[in-house]
Amino acid sequence: ETGVTQTPRHLVMGMTNKKSLKCEQHLGHNAMYWYKQSAKKPLELMFVYNFKEQTENNSVPSRFSPECPNSSHLFLHLHTLQPEDSALYLCASSQDRRDNGYTFGSGTRLTVV
Amino acid sequence: AQSVTQLGSHVSVSEGALVLLRCNYSSSVPPYLFWYVQYPNQGLQLLLKYTTGATLVKGINGFEAEFKKSETSFHLTKPSAHMSDAAEYFCAVCLDNQGGKLIFGQGTELSVKP
Repeated sequence: ETGVTQTPRHLVMGMTNKKSLKCEQHLGHNAMYWYKQSAKKPLELMFVYNFKEQTENNSVPSRFSPECPNSSHLFLHLHTLQPEDSALYLCASSQDRRDNGYTFGSGTRLTVV
Repeated sequence: AQSVTQLGSHVSVSEGALVLLRCNYSSSVPPYLFWYVQYPNQGLQLLLKYTTGATLVKGINGFEAEFKKSETSFHLTKPSAHMSDAAEYFCAVCLDNQGGKLIFGQGTELSVKP
C-alpha cells in the first residue's frame, strides 16, 4: 500500500478511556505531523517529528501523547480526553524539502462522549 | 514572519461559473506555494504547486493558479465549476528556513449551486 494510512477512520471514546491513533507512511519520508481539525476552525499543528525526533510541540495538552518509533510510523495516544477534543485528526508526512509539500492521510474522526 | 491569508471563508458559485479563490502570502524569501483540496471527512489532497519557473501552474480537476510576485498572490481559478468541486480549499506557503514546513491558510469552503 502506498501513501499515508490512518487507523481507525472513526473512533468514539469515553472521557476515561485510553485509545491510540495510528499513522503509517510508505513514501520514504522523514518528517511526520499530527494536525487537529475542528469544525469551523483552521488546521492546528500539534506535533512534528523529523527522523523520529520530536521537533515541535505546539502547547498540546498532556492528555495527547505522541510516539514515533521509526520514520514510517506515528502514534497519538489519548487518555482522559474532553468533549472539546472531538475533531478530525490528520496525519501527514513530507520529505523535508521545500518543493514537495505534504502527503496527508484520510484522518481519524474522533468523538469524545 | 511568513503567513498566508485566504480572503473569504466561504465562496458560493453556480454550476458552470468561474471559480476564484483568493490567497495572499507574506514571505521573506521566494515562496513555494501550494493549494490543497479537502472533501468531507477526508484528508487534504494536493491540487497544484508553484516552486520555480512558469508562474501559471496547472493542477488536477481543471484548476490552475498564477503566482504574482508583485501582488504577493497565488489565486486559484477554474473556468467552469462542477458540483463535484464543492469542498474546502487550503492555500499554503513553505518556510524556507525550516526544511519544508508548510504554513496553511484558514481555508475557503466552496459551494456549487445547481
